[in-house]
Amino acid sequence: EVLLVESGGGLVQPGGSLRLSCVGSGFIFSKCWMTWVRQAPGKELQWVATIREDGSVEYYVDSVRGRFTISRDNAKNSLFLQMNSLRVEDTAVYYCVDPDLSWGQGTLVTVS
Amino acid sequence: QAGLTQPPSLSEGLRQTATLTCTGSSNDVGYEGAAWLQHHQGHPPKLLFYRNNNRPSGISERFSASRSGNTASLTISGLQPEDEGDYYCSAWDSSLSAWVFGGGTKLTVL
Repeated sequence: EVLLVESGGGLVQPGGSLRLSCVGSGFIFSKCWMTWVRQAPGKELQWVATIREDGSVEYYVDSVRGRFTISRDNAKNSLFLQMNSLRVEDTAVYYCVDPDLSWGQGTLVTVS
Repeated sequence: QAGLTQPPSLSEGLRQTATLTCTGSSNDVGYEGAAWLQHHQGHPPKLLFYRNNNRPSGISERFSASRSGNTASLTISGLQPEDEGDYYCSAWDSSLSAWVFGGGTKLTVL
């Protein structure tokens, strides 16, 4: 069974930082592009960032570029999202995603 | 970033067939195809199809997907009450190097 389990969400003040983690199992993590997607309360799904399977290239939505950093540790089947300079509008449930396989349960980030 | 176009709502009768559409461009839907997600409030999105008509294990065969040009379609046959929810399409935009999403279609089963 493919599983993606996020952690690291919580309440943080504007300007603060958080680091989200995601551990994958049930598939060959090191061969997959991995993605973070978020959904703010009452809003649509929004793509946040993607990283290639070997970590060589990262892609970001404009609104987080320069503030967020996506990374991975294939030896630990882990994906990360370092979020700095957080804003109120970053409040959302953040999902760890392999677009060809599965979505995680999500972790809530509240900036207030 | 640009998004994909989905009708905001659709209503169909119980045991009928619903067809949801998702319109993009040659850079996204027309590039590698679309993924379809089912989302019930309070639960994480569930992947129904990826890259057009690839169905992950465990997805009912009542769901089918196709693509014609830059428009992807999701068809749900034999509608059940549990099929009510929001359905999103997404695709990798090769020109933007970004994932793009549709705004979602709220499906109501009458």
